[in-house]
Amino acid sequence: NAGVTQTPKFQVLKTGQSMTLQCAQDMNHEYMSWYRQDPGMGLRLIHYSVGAGITDQGEVPNGYNVSRSTTEDFPLRLLSAAPSQTSVYFCASSSSGTFYTDTQYFGPGTRLTVL
Amino acid sequence: KQEVTQIPAALSVPEGENLVLNCSFTDSAIYNLQWFRQDPGKGLTSLLLIQSSQREQTSGRLNASLDKSSGRSTLYIAASQPGDSATYLCAVRRDNYGQNFVFGPGTRLSVLP
Repeated sequence: NAGVTQTPKFQVLKTGQSMTLQCAQDMNHEYMSWYRQDPGMGLRLIHYSVGAGITDQGEVPNGYNVSRSTTEDFPLRLLSAAPSQTSVYFCASSSSGTFYTDTQYFGPGTRLTVL
Repeated sequence: KQEVTQIPAALSVPEGENLVLNCSFTDSAIYNLQWFRQDPGKGLTSLLLIQSSQREQTSGRLNASLDKSSGRSTLYIAASQPGDSATYLCAVRRDNYGQNFVFGPGTRLSVLP
């Protein structure tokens, strides 16, 4: 049981390049999310999914796309990277489970730098 | 719009002290509140989850309380140890659809031997 895995751990992009951050979980969780963490600002929700085929926008969705074709995978795509997207990106998952009680599990993060 | 703040931003204490970390939120209509620990360069680890109908939760040396009406939660750490050094974040869940958490900026704790 690997939990939530993310690849790559580190990435450097040039402005305008595109890339996909990978996230996978092996806990059969329905809910998955992407957050970005910037100094002094806490984590902010980018996109989330409540199940395969269902995604929705979070607080800061601009410049990012997601899809959820399987329960296990939830990739985050940067369409045209900008320096403002330099951040640490975290993927999280949880079970819809029992009312009130679902705990979020986080991946180790991807540190992205856009030059 | 829900906003979450944490005070203090950083805290340094000698080993063995009891300490309190504070979390405040602006909208009392929350679904639950969760405290996380984050070690440098790592992801987040869940410490305690408090349901909106609960007043507190305990796990070992940790105790978290919730006062929805005043928009506050506290994380109490008893007999602090150097291994407790980390950043502690609180997150408020707005509803039971998906994972609509709003995070505070965190409190960076250093416990000195």
